[in-house]
Amino acid sequence: AQSVAQPEDQVNVAEGNPLTVKCTYSVSGNPYLFWYVQYPNRGLQFLLKYITGDNLVKGSYGFEAEFNKSQTSFHLKKPSALVSDSALYFCAVRDRDTGRRALTFGSGTRLQVQP
Amino acid sequence: DARVTQTPRDKVTEMGQEVTMRCQPILGHNTVFWYRQTMMQGLELLAYFRNRAPLDDSGMPKDRFSAEMPDATLATLKIQPSEPRDSAVYFCASGSHPGLAGAMSYNEQFFGPGTRLTVL
Repeated sequence: AQSVAQPEDQVNVAEGNPLTVKCTYSVSGNPYLFWYVQYPNRGLQFLLKYITGDNLVKGSYGFEAEFNKSQTSFHLKKPSALVSDSALYFCAVRDRDTGRRALTFGSGTRLQVQP
Repeated sequence: DARVTQTPRDKVTEMGQEVTMRCQPILGHNTVFWYRQTMMQGLELLAYFRNRAPLDDSGMPKDRFSAEMPDATLATLKIQPSEPRDSAVYFCASGSHPGLAGAMSYNEQFFGPGTRLTVL
């Protein structure tokens, strides 16, 4: 089985400050990991993914995420938050060693960036 | 700019009516997913297809829901009869996936704008 935990329902940060949105995962094999963002009344948009290789992955809009195998984490980070980053963020995982399963998404974390 | 399209964008219906939602995946994508999003349950996978064949529909209530891909450019999700608890936003997503266990690449899914369903 594969699962994702996003322990924070909401993260509040001031504009210009660094932000972190937490994600931990569980798979029986090796993971593919993803972050998606959802703006109001819109579908999910892909931000970045970890497949293999470098543990630090850079994605869209200045976001990055670090894969930590020992801690089974894939936290999303940005050095300087913008008000326009306010949205709902989803972490997702798929077990690389099973060919049939689709992505499993976390419950989402609402990011609120205050001016 | 290739996008996943979904129709209708909004649907209000009465309990017991049939609802059909349609999705046009991105041309060339071989995998299509149906998700349901609610405040209480979050984002749930209902079903997915690869090369038009259903691979997993375990997330879907079988007695009232059905999903099909009549051709590579159209996926449908039907609810018959609809119930108030089916009220949610239904998303379609498509992707290009090798389908092989241990594959060294896995491409992201592209989501449509969703169909907001309200069953009264």
